Amino acid sequence: DGGITQSPKYLFRKEGQNVTLSCEQNLNHDAMYWYRQDPGQGLRLIYYSQIVNDFQKGDIAEGYSVSREKKESFPLTVTSAQKNPTAFYLCASSRGQGILNTEAFFGQGTRLTVV
Amino acid sequence: GQQLNQSPQSMFIQEGEDVSMNCTSSSIFNTWLWYKQEPGEGPVLLIALYKAGELTSNGRLTAQFGITRKDSFLNISASIPSDVGIYFCAGYNAGNNRKLIWGLGTSLAVNP
Repeated sequence: DGGITQSPKYLFRKEGQNVTLSCEQNLNHDAMYWYRQDPGQGLRLIYYSQIVNDFQKGDIAEGYSVSREKKESFPLTVTSAQKNPTAFYLCASSRGQGILNTEAFFGQGTRLTVV
Repeated sequence: GQQLNQSPQSMFIQEGEDVSMNCTSSSIFNTWLWYKQEPGEGPVLLIALYKAGELTSNGRLTAQFGITRKDSFLNISASIPSDVGIYFCAGYNAGNNRKLIWGLGTSLAVNP
């Protein structure tokens, strides 16, 4: 079945440690996105990539890093520089550019807790 | 970043009632999308709208792309307990660096 897989579902880390969240899609989508969700704040865009080997900062990129070495993979690293990393992280993909290609499909999310 | 104005913020209704929520923007959009998110899960696409004035249904859900291209609404008829969740609108305009712009969501609770 085609879809987007995020792993792990739950992740615990000690403060000061970097952590990498996985996102894989087999939909053959060009574009991929990372969102952060906090209660009452909706979805906030961290980074996005429209094509392999290229990515752009979103609205809250500070303290995060990404890579897009393969079309199907878009891992997100939460660095120790992120001041408040505990949140629900969502990965999404879409076919890409163009009005009819903007429908985003989401993974199940990763809940990161930093203690 | 830019956000859409989505209202109401939350709704508490009785099973069987109809529900209406909307999103407005100061900018024109080419696409409007409506999603539902259940607790602990990713949002799921419900309806996609591509043309001003377009009215599209998906079962008990109906959504419309406003004629001014600055708003959209979602109606749910005869609500049932499994309609519980957060409903998000999202808009797309190629001028926004080709990103979706999101509303803050409408939280729906249904009393059986």
